[in-house]
Amino acid sequence: GQSLEQPSEVTAVEGAIVQINCTYQTSGFYGLSWYQQHDGGAPTFLSYNALDGLEETGRFSSFLSRSDSYGYLLLQELQMKDSASYFCAVPTGANNLFFGTGTRLTVIP
Amino acid sequence: GAVVSQHPSRVICKSGTSVKIECRSLDFQATTMFWYRQFPKQSLMLMATSNEGSKATYEQGVEKDKFLINHASLTLSTLTVTSAHPEDSSFYICSARGPPAGGLDEQFFGPGTRLTVL
Repeated sequence: GQSLEQPSEVTAVEGAIVQINCTYQTSGFYGLSWYQQHDGGAPTFLSYNALDGLEETGRFSSFLSRSDSYGYLLLQELQMKDSASYFCAVPTGANNLFFGTGTRLTVIP
Repeated sequence: GAVVSQHPSRVICKSGTSVKIECRSLDFQATTMFWYRQFPKQSLMLMATSNEGSKATYEQGVEKDKFLINHASLTLSTLTVTSAHPEDSSFYICSARGPPAGGLDEQFFGPGTRLTVL
């Protein structure tokens, strides 16, 4: 089986930095993706890590350590609009996506 | 980026009726589409993989006779919830695998359909 564990909720202050962790157990590993989902909306792709290290895309960065089966999403200069749910996900051998448990981020003034 | 649409965005139906949800890739051809279900404050759970011109592949625990999937063309997949019951009330989201970009097969998600069964 597969599992991707995330903290259920995180609260952070506007302008701050927040890190959302994802630990995974998978049969076969092809990379780790991150998605953002606002309430009632579609998941939108944020980033993908196939190799160890940090990938930076604007205010968002994603990190992967395959030896630790661990990754995280780093959000900098938090804005109110960043309040959303964030999911890590892994491509499976069947070419679909398996999603993590999700982290609800609340940004407060 | 590639765009995926869903129709309807929300539907309310009576218990025992059937509901059809459409998923369209608007500016690309998608040989494979995926259907997910998401209950409130929970993650997306894959229900089935829809392949153009062939039968869908269902995940364990998903009743294929209850959730009928048809992928009749390269831009359209439909999910029909038959004999819907209140426990089928959920957010149904489709996705389509888009054209490879930078070596990554990215999935593009539709805006979802909120189904409420009374």
